[in-house]
Amino acid sequence: NAGVTQTPKFQVLKTGQSMTLQCAQDMNHNSMYWYRQDPGMGLRLIYYSASEGTTDKGEVPNGYNVSRLNKREFSLRLESAAPSQTSVYFCASEGGHSYEQYFGPGTRLTVT
Amino acid sequence: GENVEQHPSTLSVQEGDSAVIKCTYSDSASNYFPWYKQELGKRPQLIIDIRSNVGEKKDQRIAVTLNKTAKHFSLHITETQPEDSAVYFCAASRGDSSYKLIFGSGTRLLVRP
Repeated sequence: NAGVTQTPKFQVLKTGQSMTLQCAQDMNHNSMYWYRQDPGMGLRLIYYSASEGTTDKGEVPNGYNVSRLNKREFSLRLESAAPSQTSVYFCASEGGHSYEQYFGPGTRLTVT
Repeated sequence: GENVEQHPSTLSVQEGDSAVIKCTYSDSASNYFPWYKQELGKRPQLIIDIRSNVGEKKDQRIAVTLNKTAKHFSLHITETQPEDSAVYFCAASRGDSSYKLIFGSGTRLLVRP
């Protein structure tokens, strides 16, 4: 039982490049989330998926797109990376009776 | 919009002392309040949570109190140990019943041996 996994762990992009961050969970959870974490700003919700086939914007969705490929997988895409998107990105899932969100190990992204 | 304010941003205590971190929230419909601990370079992990129908919850050395009237909640850690050193985040659920969370900006706790 791996929990929530994310790839890659680290990534460096040049401004204007695109990439997709992958997230998968094996806990049969319905809800999945993408957050970004910046120093002194806590975790901010980018996008949210309540169930397979549905997605919803969070607090900071501009510059990102998501795909809920199936119940297990929720990907985050940067179409044209900008230096302001330099951050640590966490995926999380939730779906038990406790409402606890389980986080992945994070992806550290640098955009130069 | 809705927000969660967290204080202090840094806290240094002597081993064995108590630590208190406070949060206030703005959405009166929030009904779920978790606390996460994040060690350096690691993922956030839930340490305790509380629902709006209770005022206090305790788990060994950790306790959380909630005052819905004043819209604030606090984390209390007693008998602190060096391994308690980490960043702690409070969060409040959005009032739309989705359990999406709004996080505070974090408190860096340092426990001095």
